[in-house]
Amino acid sequence: GAVVSQHPSRVICKSGTSVKIECRSLDFQATTMFWYRQFPKKSLMLMATSNEGSKATYEQGVEKDKFLINHASLTLSTLTVTSAHPEDSSFYICSARAPLDSGSGANVLTFGAGSRLTVL
Amino acid sequence: GNSVTQMEGPVTLSEEAFLTINCTYTATGYPSLFWYVQYPGEGLQLLLKATKADDKGSNKGFEATYRKETTSFHLEKGSVQVSDSAVYFCALTGGSQGNLIFGKGTKLSVKP
Repeated sequence: GAVVSQHPSRVICKSGTSVKIECRSLDFQATTMFWYRQFPKKSLMLMATSNEGSKATYEQGVEKDKFLINHASLTLSTLTVTSAHPEDSSFYICSARAPLDSGSGANVLTFGAGSRLTVL
Repeated sequence: GNSVTQMEGPVTLSEEAFLTINCTYTATGYPSLFWYVQYPGEGLQLLLKATKADDKGSNKGFEATYRKETTSFHLEKGSVQVSDSAVYFCALTGGSQGNLIFGKGTKLSVKP
């Protein structure tokens, strides 16, 4: 089945530095990828929709200058947390829309394993 | 807009007990419904899905039936195992960008 690879799985950085997280679709092309943020004991919050070849669409309340998203190819989207601060510490998860399931017709999202960011 | 309401956890069960995690939704149109599972320290994995009313999704002993009349998609398993300990998320399609909308998740702990 469709696989999404996310890297790094864990990253620790100092306050004020920038961190880049990569999300790759393996064996399929993804024109659209989604970036979620998961807070402890809470659900996933959609941060932005990454569209290949165009600007990302950010959800209300998400700072686009802080969370830079680049979708340079049909298999790669990156999220850069700029000038990270401790409050940015979280679990970030990307997902990609896999090819349409011809059996069920459902648009299934495939998720990466997540990246845990800790800002000291 | 579309939304999902999921029973709050945590849920603690003994091994081989029966599991039900309630999920209800509000939606316009006919969304597809999903259950995702997140094991400790990992990302989300699709557990099962249903795309139309009365469909039953099933996988690894888990089942959920798309009930349009009650707008529900409850997750059930007849006999849970310790390895089923995880957080379970109910979700549906309906985001403006084709994304999924998730419930808050239910943490399940199964004791030997």
